[in-house]
Amino acid sequence: NAGVTQTPKFRVLKTGQSMTLLCAQDMNHEYMYWYRQDPGMGLRLIHYSVGEGTTAKGEVPDGYNVSRLKKQNFLLGLESAAPSQTSVYFCASSNTPGRSSYGYTFGSGTRLTVV
Amino acid sequence: AQSVAQPEDQVNVAEGNPLTVKCTYSVSGNPYLFWYVQYPNRGLQFLLKYITGDNLVKGSYGFEAEFNKSQTSFHLKKPSALVSDSALYFCAAGYNFNKFYFGSGTKLNVKP
Repeated sequence: NAGVTQTPKFRVLKTGQSMTLLCAQDMNHEYMYWYRQDPGMGLRLIHYSVGEGTTAKGEVPDGYNVSRLKKQNFLLGLESAAPSQTSVYFCASSNTPGRSSYGYTFGSGTRLTVV
Repeated sequence: AQSVAQPEDQVNVAEGNPLTVKCTYSVSGNPYLFWYVQYPNRGLQFLLKYITGDNLVKGSYGFEAEFNKSQTSFHLKKPSALVSDSALYFCAAGYNFNKFYFGSGTKLNVKP
């Protein structure tokens, strides 16, 4: 009963480095999302996917790329990290949004610091 | 612009007293409304939701929320606060898969 698993949990990057955040869900959910959480700003949607092989931009997509090659996995990539990307990143998944029992199921987050 | 507002960054209450965490939304139509709770170093966890029906919704851990359509509000309440309720609370509104709007969060401090 893992739910949504994010790896890694913590990471420190130097400006210009690249990395990939992995999100895996075992609930057979169709929809997956990447959010970033910054103090005083709540959660902002970066990218989302409505099914295997599909991705779309959210509210703050610049500087990020995503892929959903398998239904259970949703990858978030930073090609050239910038200090402005220092944040806590949350992955979430859902079936039919709104009508599903819990809305979104969230992972425990990845705390990323770019120096 | 559509948005969800949580006007209080922090709410302080004494254990045993009632608590209210406020949420108002500016989302067109009749959105679904949610409350989530976040404990330190954890993801958000579902508390309760409103889709339709009674204006008073009951959820997990003794929490409830009151929906008021005319005021476009969805305030979270609990009759008697516990120290263990101390956490960050988020309100969310929306109905399309990419159209959920989250508030900025309210930190609840319950003191013994």
